Amino acid sequence: LAKTTQPISMDSYEGQEVNITCSHNNIATNDYITWYQQFPSQGPRFIIQGYKTKVTNEVASLFIPADRKSSTLSLPRVSLSDTAVYYCLVGDMDISNFGNEKLTFGTGTRLTIIP
Amino acid sequence: GAVVSQHPSWVICKSGTSVKIECRSLDFQATTMFWYRQFPKQSLMLMATSNEGSKATYEQGVEKDKFLINHASLTLSTLTVTSAHPEDSSFYICSASSGGLYNEQFFGPGTRLTVL
Repeated sequence: LAKTTQPISMDSYEGQEVNITCSHNNIATNDYITWYQQFPSQGPRFIIQGYKTKVTNEVASLFIPADRKSSTLSLPRVSLSDTAVYYCLVGDMDISNFGNEKLTFGTGTRLTIIP
Repeated sequence: GAVVSQHPSWVICKSGTSVKIECRSLDFQATTMFWYRQFPKQSLMLMATSNEGSKATYEQGVEKDKFLINHASLTLSTLTVTSAHPEDSSFYICSASSGGLYNEQFFGPGTRLTVL
């Protein structure tokens, strides 16, 4: 599994756009990039997943450059409730292996939103 | 999305006793579930992979005789911490894959174990 590197912590003010970048230099061809959010004393919650270029859903966007060695999670107009730890993971999500993929969590980025 | 529950949400026990934690996929079947442990201010660490109808696969350094895992059905996996000690106090989280296109894993809410 590819190792990921993220900033340990970030601060941002309410209403701003927050971009968290993750490095994964050893990403493999079959690897997808997934981001999870975790609040204190709760299990992680899936945010977004992608393979290349850009993916957008109702809560975030994920930007992946052509070389796929990094990815950026973009949270638009953050609020206090977005204060959490954000984990970037890469792993083989080939459909023939589904259900068996182990997830390796890195240190994550502790995002603090300031009023 | 798919829902994974855990029971209990918290438990306090005396040193030397055993504690069982249940993980259920409520609206989907999961052939594989995962168990993680998380200490305060740290990341999640995978303990074992639980496969329905077969023995669990433990990560290096995790004692299989101490952390007993049973995956008797497609919706239930249990983790039993045997002869618990204070150093086993932690946040235990399970996850399951719905088997969807992108193998999204759904996590339970976690169980806080405190061993006195």
